[in-house]
This record gives sequence, structure tokens and C-alpha cells, in this order.
Amino acid sequence: EAGVAQSPRYKIIEKRQSVAFWCNPISGHATLYWYQQILGQGPKLLIQFQNNGVVDDSQLPKDRFSAERLKGVDSTLKIQPAKLEDSAVYLCASSQSSASRAGELFFGEGSRLTVL
Amino acid sequence: KQEVTQIPAALSVPEGENLVLNCSFTDSAIYNLQWFRQDPGKGLTSLLLIQSSQREQTSGRLNASLDKSSGRSTLYIAASQPGDSATYLCAVEDSNYQLIWGAGTKLIIKP
Repeated sequence: EAGVAQSPRYKIIEKRQSVAFWCNPISGHATLYWYQQILGQGPKLLIQFQNNGVVDDSQLPKDRFSAERLKGVDSTLKIQPAKLEDSAVYLCASSQSSASRAGELFFGEGSRLTVL
Repeated sequence: KQEVTQIPAALSVPEGENLVLNCSFTDSAIYNLQWFRQDPGKGLTSLLLIQSSQREQTSGRLNASLDKSSGRSTLYIAASQPGDSATYLCAVEDSNYQLIWGAGTKLIIKP
């Protein structure tokens, strides 16, 4: 069974530039999460999708971050314009769980963003 | 507000030792607790998931326990190996269906 795929693995940009990350969850997984993980900290939820609907985006900085999940499968996370404090690893995870329960999460390898 | 704490932040032990990693949470109203492993530069791998009605789960050399009343979970690793070196994170699913994460314990197993 293929795991959660993310790209790119690494990205270096200058502040005020834009960047986009892509995630392909495990086939059949209804729930998709985007997390931001700063070095030495636990993951911070940015947005949770149930199929192609947003369940929770309360911690997404909506003035600069946006995310979409087309057709309830792949998802993209965009940052525009980037700030220095956006330097982090962006993790995508998926879960087979329906409704709002998390269940067991499966993570991709992450996309490491460095903002100069 | 649910808070999850993992102490110590880092731990170094010789190969072959049995060890315990700790996870504490402030609100006992949880649905489940998960333990994850994270290797440097990698994503997280789910190790064990304990439902709120369960006391423990086992997988190979790993055993995770859950005591909701005291707000504690432990991850026991038997006969540690250098390959066990990683950061171990716990996360609880709270009554609002949200995952609350600890900051992790960085484990180093010395050959």
C-alpha cells in the first residue's frame, strides 16, 4: 500500500515570495491534515479536511496561508507571502476515520521550508 | 484546555537497556492516545494507539500504557537498540476531536 506522498521535500525561498506544497493521501482516506512543525516542537494543526470540506482551519493564518483539497483526494497548501517565521516542516497526514474522529494517522515525509 | 507534556526532552541510554518514556495530559476526558516515532528529517510513524477504554497496547518490543485518571501514559521499550534512536511523540484526541501533541522526547541509544 502506497503511503502519503508529499512534494517538494525541500524548498528555500526569500521572504515575501510564495510557495506551494502538494500532498497525495493514502487511497480511500477521507480525512487529510496539514501540520506545521517547528524544530523541537510538536506538530501544529493548520487545517483538517473531511473529503473536500474543511473541518477545522482555526489555526490557519488565513491572511497568508491557503489550502484546498480538490475532489476529496489531493491537497495543496500555499503560503503567500512567506515570512521568516514560516520556516518549518509542513507535514501532511491522512486518516481512514470518518466524521470528526482522528483515528490512526499516517504521515508523509514532510516538506521542509526555509525562508531567508 | 488540554495540555500534553513529555519529560524528559532528551534521553540517552546504553544499548540493551529497557526504558520508559513518559507522556502526561491535564484533562482526563480523552478518546484515545497515540505514540509516534519521528526520525530526523522524516515524517511521523504511528507506533501504538490506545483507546480510552483500554489500559495498554503492545507491538513487538513496545508496550504503551494508559492511566486516564492520573493523566499519564508510558511507552516502554524493551532491550533497546541503536535503531530505536528517534524522537518519540505522544498525542491525545480530546473531547473536541482535536489532537493535542506533546513536544516529544529525543531518544539516543548508545552502541
